[in-house]
Amino acid sequence: EAGVAQSPRYKIIEKRQSVAFWCNPISGHATLYWYQQILGQGPKLLIQFQNNGVVDDSQLPKDRFSAERLKGVDSTLKIQPAKLEDSAVYLCASSPPGAGYYGYTFGSGTRLTVV
Amino acid sequence: QKEVEQNSGPLSVPEGAIASLNCTYSDRGSQSFFWYRQYSGKSPELIMFIYSNGDKEDGRFTAQLNKASQYVSLLIRDSQPSDSATYLCAVNIRGTYKYIFGTGTRLKVLA
Repeated sequence: EAGVAQSPRYKIIEKRQSVAFWCNPISGHATLYWYQQILGQGPKLLIQFQNNGVVDDSQLPKDRFSAERLKGVDSTLKIQPAKLEDSAVYLCASSPPGAGYYGYTFGSGTRLTVV
Repeated sequence: QKEVEQNSGPLSVPEGAIASLNCTYSDRGSQSFFWYRQYSGKSPELIMFIYSNGDKEDGRFTAQLNKASQYVSLLIRDSQPSDSATYLCAVNIRGTYKYIFGTGTRLKVLA
């Protein structure tokens, strides 16, 4: 079974620029999550999708972050404009329907550096 | 504010010893509890989950849950240098698939 695919692996941008990350979940996984992990901290949930609908985006800074999941498969997370404090690893994870209580699988992440 | 607390370490143990990692959480309604291992520069990898009080064993790993004390632990028997990593504790928020992660405990297994 192929894992969660993310791209790019690394991105360096200047503050106030925009950036987008892409995620392809494990086939058949209806639930997709985007987490932000700042160095030295645990991951923090930004947004959760069930198919192509948003379940929870309470911690997504909506003034600058947006996410979509078209057709209930791939997802993109965008930051516009980026701030220095957005430097972090952005992790995508997925789980089968109803299986979120049993743990989910993370992709390899995108490391963003804002300078 | 729901929280998950872990000692940041580093916890150093000699090779072959038992490593004991601990975690406390604040949400009494949490139903599922997880241990993720994260190597430097890599993404978290799920190694154990537990949802019933007591012990759950998987190979060299044992997860222990005490809901009354709001305490989760992970024991690693016969620790190997390859176990050196940061171990993240996570709990779900009641009724959701949203996880709250601790900041992780860095484990060093000394050869």
